[in-house]
Amino acid sequence: KNEVEQSPQNLTAQEGEFITINCSYSVGISALHWLQQHPGGGIVSLFMLSSGKKKHGRLIATINIQEKHSSLHITASHPRDSAVYICAVVPGAGSYQLTFGKGTKLSVIP
Amino acid sequence: EPEVTQTPSHQVTQMGQEVILRCVPISNHLYFYWYRQILGQKVEFLVSFYNNEISEKSEIFDDQFSVERPDGSNFTLKIRSTKLEDSAMYFCASRSGQSDTQYFGPGTRLTVL
Repeated sequence: KNEVEQSPQNLTAQEGEFITINCSYSVGISALHWLQQHPGGGIVSLFMLSSGKKKHGRLIATINIQEKHSSLHITASHPRDSAVYICAVVPGAGSYQLTFGKGTKLSVIP
Repeated sequence: EPEVTQTPSHQVTQMGQEVILRCVPISNHLYFYWYRQILGQKVEFLVSFYNNEISEKSEIFDDQFSVERPDGSNFTLKIRSTKLEDSAMYFCASRSGQSDTQYFGPGTRLTVL
């Protein structure tokens, strides 16, 4: 069973700060999702990556498959980025059963 | 942009009652999933569905749960006899099959009294 750990659990940042959220997992995977959960509960998929780096606007996600680690970076953070960020791993070998981390609650203060 | 929809947004039921949660996946998607999130806890996988049958299920998905795709658009999760511990947010997701990306619905909050 894959153990997915995220750090930090909670993060408070000033508007404009550069933010990093980390995710590590214990068993090899085929891909990893970064998800955003809004205060109302809805989940939005931000990235799905299996190697390297992806960028979308102010968001950057990286993954190191050998080290079993991924990071989500937010540049020039804004209060609207306040949400819970969740990483979830895809085991591969024909399974798409996602295993989720507990999430990182981000609060960006103006 | 196509999106996954779920109804109702909030369902309140009495313990022991049956509930059906409904999802309309993205129209050309082939793989469908149900997840749940108990308040304050992490999201957990329940079941995946492809080609009109269950592909994978977790230990949570016991005999009181069932899934169905009754027509070409809906995907439902039925809980036969609800328990207090079934209170959670239930998310539906779908995937095209050409990508690993799953697209999530907004969730149904189930409250069992």
